[in-house]
Amino acid sequence: QAVLTQPASLSASPGASASLTCTLRSGINVDTYRIYWYQQKPGSPPLYLLRYKSDSDSHDQQGSGVPSRFSGSKDASANAGILLISGLQSEDEADYYCMIWHISAWVFGGGTKLTVL
Amino acid sequence: QLQESGPGLVKPAETLFLTCTVSGDSISSRDYYWGWIRQSPQEGLEWIGTMYYSGTTYYNPSLKSRVTMSVDTSKNQLSLKVNSVSAADTAVYYCARHPAILGVTGFYGMDVWGQGTSVTVSS
Repeated sequence: QAVLTQPASLSASPGASASLTCTLRSGINVDTYRIYWYQQKPGSPPLYLLRYKSDSDSHDQQGSGVPSRFSGSKDASANAGILLISGLQSEDEADYYCMIWHISAWVFGGGTKLTVL
Repeated sequence: QLQESGPGLVKPAETLFLTCTVSGDSISSRDYYWGWIRQSPQEGLEWIGTMYYSGTTYYNPSLKSRVTMSVDTSKNQLSLKVNSVSAADTAVYYCARHPAILGVTGFYGMDVWGQGTSVTVSS
């Protein structure tokens, strides 16, 4: 079982909100991890969006120039990190990846392809 | 800014050499670590390793036996060497910057990425 699991695809309408999930493998507690989110468009490198551990964690950060409509959260009951994108725009159509530091290695999820239609 | 460069095509069993030229920051800055990541359709995004200008390195355990990272502070460059390449090493290779965590030894995840360089392993 992969360390991080992301849905392969998600569709949402312009103006709506989209919740992209990143589920941690059973036995790995999401509460103890800082989750990073990246956006990647075809032909471009990943773009750093944000890092999130908890609402009160001073090490959390929004990427430079990243709009506030991108935010991070967690669903402890699902053992998952969440990237919430509000007010979806056509330019948000991209692949989104999560990442954590796990057992002395950076580990990426498989990515979610977000379609805005 | 980070700019990767490499051979494009490498033969199986040979050694791959990549460089990353850093501009706008000093690779000797205490504020950053520097890393390599690769991406392929088969494996997705895979972290290769991260290093500090002082020489401290952190490698992905799955690649550690075949990779070596180094820095050339005079050229403001980061380098990656991958030994005994195979088709599985075919990927786009990115270099990236990691902000250092203040007050402790350690670093955050990548916040700036280069454009990447494509590497194909084929005879």
